[in-house]
Amino acid sequence: DGGITQSPKYLFRKEGQNVTLSCEQNLNHDAMYWYRQDPGQGLRLIYYSQIVNDFQKGDIAEGYSVSREKKESFPLTVTSAQKNPTAFYLCASRGQRAVNQPQHFGDGTRLSIL
Amino acid sequence: DQQVKQNSPSLSVQEGRISILNCDYTNSMFDYFLWYKKYPAEGPTFLISISSIKDKNEDGRFTVFLNKSAKHLSLHIVPSQPGDSAVYFCAASQYNTDKLIFGTGTRLQVFP
Repeated sequence: DGGITQSPKYLFRKEGQNVTLSCEQNLNHDAMYWYRQDPGQGLRLIYYSQIVNDFQKGDIAEGYSVSREKKESFPLTVTSAQKNPTAFYLCASRGQRAVNQPQHFGDGTRLSIL
Repeated sequence: DQQVKQNSPSLSVQEGRISILNCDYTNSMFDYFLWYKKYPAEGPTFLISISSIKDKNEDGRFTVFLNKSAKHLSLHIVPSQPGDSAVYFCAASQYNTDKLIFGTGTRLQVFP
């Protein structure tokens, strides 16, 4: 089945640690995205990538880093510089061959601080 | 600055009746609008979209209406079913920016 796989589903981090969230897609999509959702809020864009080896900051990139070495993979690292990392993280992808294609989402990773 | 607003945090509708979810936006440069449905602990699922050249788009029980002069869109679900109970997000983007701006969501509950 084609889709977007995020792992792990739940992740715990100690203060001062970096953690990496995985996102893999087999939809052959060019663009990939990372969002953060907090309770009672909408999704906010962290980083996005429209092509391999290139990515742009979203609205809340501070304390996060990404890489896009392969088309199918877009891992997100939550660094110790992110002061409030507890949230639900969502990865999305989008094919860009036609105008106005929707983004499709994985099932998310919930990150908590110990 | 909230560019996409969903002013109703929750909505309760009886099964079989119409559900109407509303969304307002402030940026007149938005030209593509989407609705997503989200269950707890899952990612959003794309429902329906509309571009600014249209004022209505229909897909089965779901219809999205766009009023550009009022900067307002709405999602109609007819008839509502218990499985429609979820949080609904509207989102908007500007052509060639590749960024979606999401509203804060409306929790829909459909009761028997």
